[in-house]
Amino acid sequence: GDSVTQMEGPVTLSEEAFLTINCTYTATGYPSLFWYVQYPGEGLQLLLKATKADDKGSNKGFEATYRKETTSFHLEKGSVQVSDSAVYFCALSGPLMNRDDKIIFGKGTRLHILP
Amino acid sequence: DTGVSQDPRHKITKRGQNVTFRCDPISEHNRLYWYRQTLGQGPEFLTYFQNEAQLEKSRLLSDRFSAERPKGSFSTLEIQRTEQGDSAMYLCASTQLGQITDTQYFGPGTRLTVL
Repeated sequence: GDSVTQMEGPVTLSEEAFLTINCTYTATGYPSLFWYVQYPGEGLQLLLKATKADDKGSNKGFEATYRKETTSFHLEKGSVQVSDSAVYFCALSGPLMNRDDKIIFGKGTRLHILP
Repeated sequence: DTGVSQDPRHKITKRGQNVTFRCDPISEHNRLYWYRQTLGQGPEFLTYFQNEAQLEKSRLLSDRFSAERPKGSFSTLEIQRTEQGDSAMYLCASTQLGQITDTQYFGPGTRLTVL
């Protein structure tokens, strides 16, 4: 079945460092890909998404590019802030407008940013 | 639009008791999803509704679990004869089928602890 694999955490970086969180997926067809973020004490929030190959999703300085050839959707940010400390989930769902679009999540990567 | 709300936010119960959780989706969202998240894991799909019809149930949803969405608005998730393994965060999400976007909006979750 469809699945998502992301790098294990925790990941600890200093403020202003470059961030990469790796994510690869297994799916039939052409899934939509997402990054969700869960800040301490808060609910899941959509960070960014991409719905077709070579699309780049971006938000709040974070970026991820849908790479079909490598089945990857790595999350990057050029300069992290303490406020970026959270758990990040890579996820996929069926193609856009699919009848059954439940989301399949990775296990999450906890990110700690040190001041 | 006040977002997805869930009640209660926390529930502590003794093994063998029944519990019921409520989810109020974003108004006029016709799809509603339930997920379960255990410690250190990503959310896992349980079931979803389109309007009042329950269209899919995960094999994770044993016969002790039942979900309803009687009028196509709020939904309830009931767990009968709770077990310690039911301890988890139960998340609700909603979306509007038919929009260009397939974004699911998540509630804050109900944390269940079974003693």
